[in-house]
Amino acid sequence: KQEVTQIPAALSVPEGENLVLNCSFTDSAIYNLQWFRQDPGKGLTSLLLIQSSQREQTSGRLNASLDKSSGRSTLYIAASQPGDSATYLCAVRYNNNDMRFGAGTRLTVKP
Amino acid sequence: DGGITQSPKYLFRKEGQNVTLSCEQNLNHDAMYWYRQDPGQGLRLIYYSQIVNDFQKGDIAEGYSVSREKKESFPLTVTSAQKNPTAFYLCASSIEYTEAFFGQGTRLTVV
Repeated sequence: KQEVTQIPAALSVPEGENLVLNCSFTDSAIYNLQWFRQDPGKGLTSLLLIQSSQREQTSGRLNASLDKSSGRSTLYIAASQPGDSATYLCAVRYNNNDMRFGAGTRLTVKP
Repeated sequence: DGGITQSPKYLFRKEGQNVTLSCEQNLNHDAMYWYRQDPGQGLRLIYYSQIVNDFQKGDIAEGYSVSREKKESFPLTVTSAQKNPTAFYLCASSIEYTEAFFGQGTRLTVV
């Protein structure tokens, strides 16, 4: 069974801290992995997409890594800000119709 | 602006009533998806469509129906057969095997 797990479920940090969110998946035969942000009551906003052949992707203060062999991805957020407070979801694509989502990590950045 | 538009934002359904959620995209994507999100759980796939006039059931299709008469539109009907329809519904689209984009969601409540 293809499962995606995100740990921790919730994280609270002071402003300015660097932090890492974790995503693990049981089946390594993936096409890509995508990180999303979700604000309360809103849809998902795409942050980063990593293809299966890539090791990492960067966008501004965000850096996502992928280790297919170990079934892990991390999202690194540098110099966190209160505006980064949201739920972060990872999704693993196995084929065109099959994206498996983790339950998310709820991040709170305190001023 | 290119994107995915879901309407309405909030929807209330009476017992035994069918309701239809709208999803429109102007990204020229072939693939479209409907997901259901419940608190504390990852997104679960209801239906997906790769091309016009073709769609496939996802993991939790029972009690739902869809149509794909136009490339831009992928409406979801929640029928009276769906016994627990209260949830947040998200529509997405993508070019095959690539980055997925989401709408802002529709919150459906049974009254």
